[in-house]
Amino acid sequence: QSVLTQSPSASGTPGQGVTISCSGSSSNIGTNTVDWFQQLPGMAPKLLIYRSNQRPSGVPDRFSGSKSDTSASLAISGLQSEDEADYYCAAWDDSLHGPVFGGGTKLTVL
Amino acid sequence: QLQLQESGPGLVRPSETLSLTCTVSRGSISSARYYWGWIRQPPGRGLEWIGSVFFTGKTYYNPSVKSRVTVSVDTSRNQFSLELTSITATDTAAYYCARHLWGDGPDVWGQGTTVTVSS
Repeated sequence: QSVLTQSPSASGTPGQGVTISCSGSSSNIGTNTVDWFQQLPGMAPKLLIYRSNQRPSGVPDRFSGSKSDTSASLAISGLQSEDEADYYCAAWDDSLHGPVFGGGTKLTVL
Repeated sequence: QLQLQESGPGLVRPSETLSLTCTVSRGSISSARYYWGWIRQPPGRGLEWIGSVFFTGKTYYNPSVKSRVTVSVDTSRNQFSLELTSITATDTAAYYCARHLWGDGPDVWGQGTTVTVSS
């Protein structure tokens, strides 16, 4: 059972937008920023969004993040087939003294 | 650009100890900013933080494995390591090493190494 809660699946058609949500608690998302990772099959997770809404260089601006209270969201606009992947949220947990993760959302591009 | 590379056995017998090493290249493990951690992912499941170490040797562990885990650092070799004792089938997973700041999630990951627990 993951500490952060994500819906297990999401889908959209090419060109559409989709939002993936992540829910936590006061000890993690409530007091710390959120990261989002994209994981392609057989690959390591790749940092997509850090500090809730910052994009590393090279990440398209189709990806955006936001946070409110103990929840966070990843929005993907203009869906492309290569966006089909698993997406994970993560946040520092003040009780654990380490990062906690969501269970992942499998995005299907129909 | 910093790179991390895991190494270790792909097959471990039940009850034995799993030992993995992460080699840091194109950067120094002795940075006064970063922590070096281990994260695992059982097949078809989500990510779980195992533990992290600072270059001074200070460690932090997930309570779920704290009684069985040791994370250590070797600054002379620019490496850090994971030892997990009393291995069972539930420890079968892809193991990743990663870098993170205190208070943040990982920003640089190794490619991962798959460990299977089987007799």
